[in-house]
Amino acid sequence: EAGVAQSPRYKIIEKRQSVAFWCNPISGHATLYWYQQILGQGPKLLIQFQNNGVVDDSQLPKDRFSAERLKGVDSTLKIQPAKLEDSAVYLCASRLGNSYEQYFGPGTRLTVT
Amino acid sequence: GENVGLHLPTLSVQEGDNSIINCAYSNSASDYFIWYKQESGKGPQFIIDIRSNMDKRQGQRVTVLLNKTVKHLSLQIAATQPGDSAVYFCAEKSNAGGTSYGKLTFGQGTILTVHP
Repeated sequence: EAGVAQSPRYKIIEKRQSVAFWCNPISGHATLYWYQQILGQGPKLLIQFQNNGVVDDSQLPKDRFSAERLKGVDSTLKIQPAKLEDSAVYLCASRLGNSYEQYFGPGTRLTVT
Repeated sequence: GENVGLHLPTLSVQEGDNSIINCAYSNSASDYFIWYKQESGKGPQFIIDIRSNMDKRQGQRVTVLLNKTVKHLSLQIAATQPGDSAVYFCAEKSNAGGTSYGKLTFGQGTILTVHP
């Protein structure tokens, strides 16, 4: 079975610019997560979707971050405007309903200069 | 709890040795724990999991031990190989329902380096 796909793999932008990341979860996985992983730390949850609805976005900086999963499959995460401290790897993960195991994509490494 | 620190714990072993990676978790209400392996440039990959009603679980070359009294989790890797070199994260899941259902909180991570 195909894994979680993410694109782009790398992105370099200047501060105050905008950026968007895309995620295609494993087919049939209703739950989708976006994480931020700063260098040297574990992944930190930004937002969780169940199908196309937001379940938990309590740690999403909503003044600059937004995410959507309009058709309950693919998802996009946007940052506008970016700050230097947003430099991190953004991971997407998905989960099948009957398991707690989350399957991760390769991540997008964002560098804000 | 919060992930803190820029200096990850490190463990260096020789090929063939057994490795033990430790993790202290924060929430006594957590009922499920999982270990992930993350190689450079890749996303975390599942290794093994354990529910809170168990003390030990074994997989292929890996064993997870859970001590709920002191909120401690360990991952043992037998006959460590160079391909095991990676960062290892433990994660915990609270038994809370609602919007917290299935939510994993990750620990700091440990860098394992295996020397040939």
